Amino acid sequence: GQNIDQPTEMTATEGAIVQINCTYQTSGFNGLFWYQQHAGEAPTFLSYNVLDGLEEKGRFSSFLSRSKGYSYLLLKELQMKDSASYLCAASTGANNLFFGTGTRLTVIP
Amino acid sequence: DVKVTQSSRYLVKRTGEKVFLECVQDMDHENMFWYRQDPGLGLRLIYFSYDVKMKEKGDIPEGYSVSREKKERFSLILESASTNQTSMYLCASSQDRGQETQYFGPGTRLLVL
Repeated sequence: GQNIDQPTEMTATEGAIVQINCTYQTSGFNGLFWYQQHAGEAPTFLSYNVLDGLEEKGRFSSFLSRSKGYSYLLLKELQMKDSASYLCAASTGANNLFFGTGTRLTVIP
Repeated sequence: DVKVTQSSRYLVKRTGEKVFLECVQDMDHENMFWYRQDPGLGLRLIYFSYDVKMKEKGDIPEGYSVSREKKERFSLILESASTNQTSMYLCASSQDRGQETQYFGPGTRLLVL
């Protein structure tokens, strides 16, 4: 079977750093996506990790450990506009993605 | 910029009606997908298509069908809508040749009464 686990909700303070974890078990695995979804809007692409290690893109970084089936999204210098759901998705091959249920992040002043 | 559009943002239909949800992408992508998104369940794949006139079942195809007559257009059909099909429906597209990033449309929130 296929499974992705990520926390349901998180709260963090403006200006702080937050790490959103994701563990996955899939029948095939090519890489790990992170998407951001604001309430009522479409998911938008944030990052894609294929190789182990950390990839940094501005305030957002994403990490992957293939041997541990583990990824995290790191958000630095949090802003109010970062309040959104963050979706972890495993690429299982043949262009398909398997999504987790998402982590709703609330940034408070 | 990739643009994926969906025909309606909001739809209200009655039980038993036939419902068409349309999706169009303007980036010549080979792959197109239909998902539904429900609280606590995340995005679940209904159907996908790798090419014109081709379709593959996803994880929850029951009660749905699809049509892909042109490369840019992928339609989701609810043959006889039921209340448990009330949901947010999201269309996505991606290139082929190893580029797997999926780009999503704005979604259609369907209410079946």
